[in-house]
Amino acid sequence: NAGVMQNPRHLVRRRGQEARLRCSPMKGHSHVYWYRQLPEEGLKFMVYLQKENIIDESGMPKERFSAEFPKEGPSILRIQQVVRGDSAAYFCASSPSGQEGFFGQGTRLTVV
Amino acid sequence: DAKTTQPPSMDCAEGRAANLPCNHSTISGNEYVYWYRQIHSQGPQYIIHGLKNNETNEMASLIITEDRKSSTLILPHATLRDTAVYYCIVRVGRGQAGTALIFGKGTTLSVSS
Repeated sequence: NAGVMQNPRHLVRRRGQEARLRCSPMKGHSHVYWYRQLPEEGLKFMVYLQKENIIDESGMPKERFSAEFPKEGPSILRIQQVVRGDSAAYFCASSPSGQEGFFGQGTRLTVV
Repeated sequence: DAKTTQPPSMDCAEGRAANLPCNHSTISGNEYVYWYRQIHSQGPQYIIHGLKNNETNEMASLIITEDRKSSTLILPHATLRDTAVYYCIVRVGRGQAGTALIFGKGTTLSVSS
């Protein structure tokens, strides 16, 4: 059973471009969480989704950030018009029941 | 804010037991204690969780005090590969709606030979 897959592992974007981060949960997992880790800081919750629904987006910045988890395919975290402050590691976790989270290896976004 | 308090760092000799403490004095009756670790630059790794009974798995043991206000994660025979940041997290348990993990600063465990 493959683990949580995130791609790309590394992403470089120029300021003003869009970044799309993908997360394929473990087989049978319908709960996905996204976290962000700024350099030298701890992980911060961003958004919690179940299939086709956003359950909790209290950690998402109000602008430029969006997330989806369609019926088919991976969960997508989308950042529009990226700025240097968006440079961070973005991790997703999946769970079959909303409890124990199994994390992917993250996407490291660098904005230049 | 994290609902737990952990020492910022600890050292352990390779082969010895590593005992990582965590205070969670405001834990509610329906909240579990979870432990995760993050090895440098990798995604967090689930270790163990418990409600009130002590728990053991292939990675570690979790000892929860009777009043549930503190717990200790025990790595019985620490290796160099156990060097990581260890996070103690409390969250609502099974049967409740899923909630996010609130990560604090954790304990940086350094295992040396």
